[in-house]
Amino acid sequence: GQNIDQPTEMTATEGAIVQINCTYQTSGFNGLFWYQQHAGEAPTFLSYNVLDGLEEKGRFSSFLSRSKGYSYLLLKELQMKDSASYLCAVTDSNYQLIWGAGTKLIIKP
Amino acid sequence: GAVVSQHPSWVICKSGTSVKIECRSLDFQATTMFWYRQFPKQSLMLMATSNEGSKATYEQGVEKDKFLINHASLTLSTLTVTSAHPEDSSFYICSAKAPGTGDTGELFFGEGSRLTVL
Repeated sequence: GQNIDQPTEMTATEGAIVQINCTYQTSGFNGLFWYQQHAGEAPTFLSYNVLDGLEEKGRFSSFLSRSKGYSYLLLKELQMKDSASYLCAVTDSNYQLIWGAGTKLIIKP
Repeated sequence: GAVVSQHPSWVICKSGTSVKIECRSLDFQATTMFWYRQFPKQSLMLMATSNEGSKATYEQGVEKDKFLINHASLTLSTLTVTSAHPEDSSFYICSAKAPGTGDTGELFFGEGSRLTVL
């Protein structure tokens, strides 16, 4: 079966750095997405990785290792507004998007 | 970026009635739109893929006669929850791929519609 694993919940301190991991087992791979979803709102796009390595975009960076079936989202200089759920999603060989359950990130002052 | 608008944001209805949710791509044409359902503290669940001018493709376990999808134009897809029951209460979200990005493009989501069936 297809499976995406990410921690259910994480807590971090304002101003700090947090890394949210995502591992996947899918039938084929055509890219990995990270989305941010605030409570009661729709997801918004953060990043897309299809090649191995680190993609940096401001305070957010996303890393991919296809051989390990592993990705992480790195958030630096955490702000209170970063409190949200972070969804990892993988496009499989049929270009179907498989979603993880999301990681709820709690930022404390 | 591309804008997808969803309406209504909130809807409360009585059990047995039908509810229609609209999803519009405001500044681009979307030949394909996706409908998701999300229960509290759970991930997005794809319900169906809506294709302009043709029948929607439903995911396994989703009743096509209960969740009617119409994609009559390149900018509008509608989801109608027929004979709604309390267990249909959920957050319904539509999305469309950014134009020109093919199968690997990012998705743009509507604001979501929270349905509560009494």
